[in-house]
Amino acid sequence: QLQLQESGPGLVKPSETLSLTCTVSGGSISSGSFYWGWIRQPPGKGLEWIGSVYYSGTTYYTPSLKSRVAVSVDTSKNQFALKLSSVTAADTAIYYCARVDSYYYVDVWGKGTTVTVSS
Amino acid sequence: QTVVTQEPSFSVSPGGTVTLTCGLTSGSVSSSYYPSWYQQTPGQAPRTLIYSTSTRSSGVPGRFSGSILGNKAALTITGAQADDECDYYCLLYMGGGNVLFGGGTKLTVL
Repeated sequence: QLQLQESGPGLVKPSETLSLTCTVSGGSISSGSFYWGWIRQPPGKGLEWIGSVYYSGTTYYTPSLKSRVAVSVDTSKNQFALKLSSVTAADTAIYYCARVDSYYYVDVWGKGTTVTVSS
Repeated sequence: QTVVTQEPSFSVSPGGTVTLTCGLTSGSVSSSYYPSWYQQTPGQAPRTLIYSTSTRSSGVPGRFSGSILGNKAALTITGAQADDECDYYCLLYMGGGNVLFGGGTKLTVL
């Protein structure tokens, strides 16, 4: 059974870069049928799509975050990563990694990791 | 900029039927938007309920169903139970690799 696990610092200073990694187990990130995505949820608010990456490296980013986001894939480690630059308190959220089916839905979710932006 | 709309809150009696909707501020939702639905209880990651408009995800009870109603995607819960009380989100494919969540609906069962 495929599982996803987020990892990374739980506290990031304002103006710095948030970096998270998602490790895929129980399956290959190089499967051609899926994208790999990042979703976040600020405290008490709804879900927000951040972006996704195909195993080939092709990326898609939500327009509102596009200037600050980079999602990458490392097939040798079966991992994919999120970098969000110039963070502010508004980037404080639970960050989920996810497997995205070719019919544009999330079929596997990570448990989520909380990231707080504060000095 | 197009926004995906959902009712902020909804209430249903135990055993009752409720339909939550997912629309657009500009235009109509069709199956080409590949609507999917997610259930989230407090403190937990979301759970996938429905994808491609009406296909139930593995293990999802038959009381959850998806459809297109008029110009919106819809999630219907038939025979609501107490543990259906949580948040529900829809997700739409907007083209060009972009997807967008609705703001979510908080469902109360009472």
